[in-house]
Amino acid sequence: GNSVTQMEGPVTLSEEAFLTINCTYTATGYPSLFWYVQYPGEGLQLLLKATKADDKGSNKGFEATYRKETTSFHLEKGSVQVSDSAVYFCALSRGSTLGRLYFGRGTQLTVWP
Amino acid sequence: DAGVIQSPRHEVTEMGQEVTLRCKPISGHNSLFWYRQTMMRGLELLIYFNNNVPIDDSGMPEDRFSAKMPNASFSTLKIQPSEPRDSAVYFCASTPGGAVTGELFFGEGSRLTVL
Repeated sequence: GNSVTQMEGPVTLSEEAFLTINCTYTATGYPSLFWYVQYPGEGLQLLLKATKADDKGSNKGFEATYRKETTSFHLEKGSVQVSDSAVYFCALSRGSTLGRLYFGRGTQLTVWP
Repeated sequence: DAGVIQSPRHEVTEMGQEVTLRCKPISGHNSLFWYRQTMMRGLELLIYFNNNVPIDDSGMPEDRFSAKMPNASFSTLKIQPSEPRDSAVYFCASTPGGAVTGELFFGEGSRLTVL
């Protein structure tokens, strides 16, 4: 079946620290991969995506590379800010035109000044 | 542009009462999703519609839950009777049809507390 496994949180970092949140997936065929972010009290919003192997998605200083050989899509940022504190969700899509996504459990990130 | 609109934002009710959550998707979006978020279970897909037709309701917990989409601009999620374990944040999301972009547009959620 289709599933996403991401590292459990919470993750607590000091401002300007390096961030990695691990994500691995199980899917048949060639899924598209996504990272969504949920700020406190809000719905999820798309952070970045990659639609084929070796693609790198990037946005707001965050990056993730689609690694088919390791079935991974790890999220990284070189220098986190307090404003990055949120819950981060890894997700995959199997290419259905209906748009269904399979989400991981989410990883809570807290950044201290 | 208006995003996905959900109401109510907060609902507190007593066990046994009927709860109706409402969602207005983004105009022109063909697929609509209802999710439930709890600390214990994370984000769960309850049901999704395409062109107003329910495609997969296997995530609906039990017969107490029902969802409808009478037209392209409105959907409801009903719980009758409600139970304390239904307490959660319920999200509605929509996405355009056609080519897959993978971007779901989420509402701000309806926080339900059942006492």
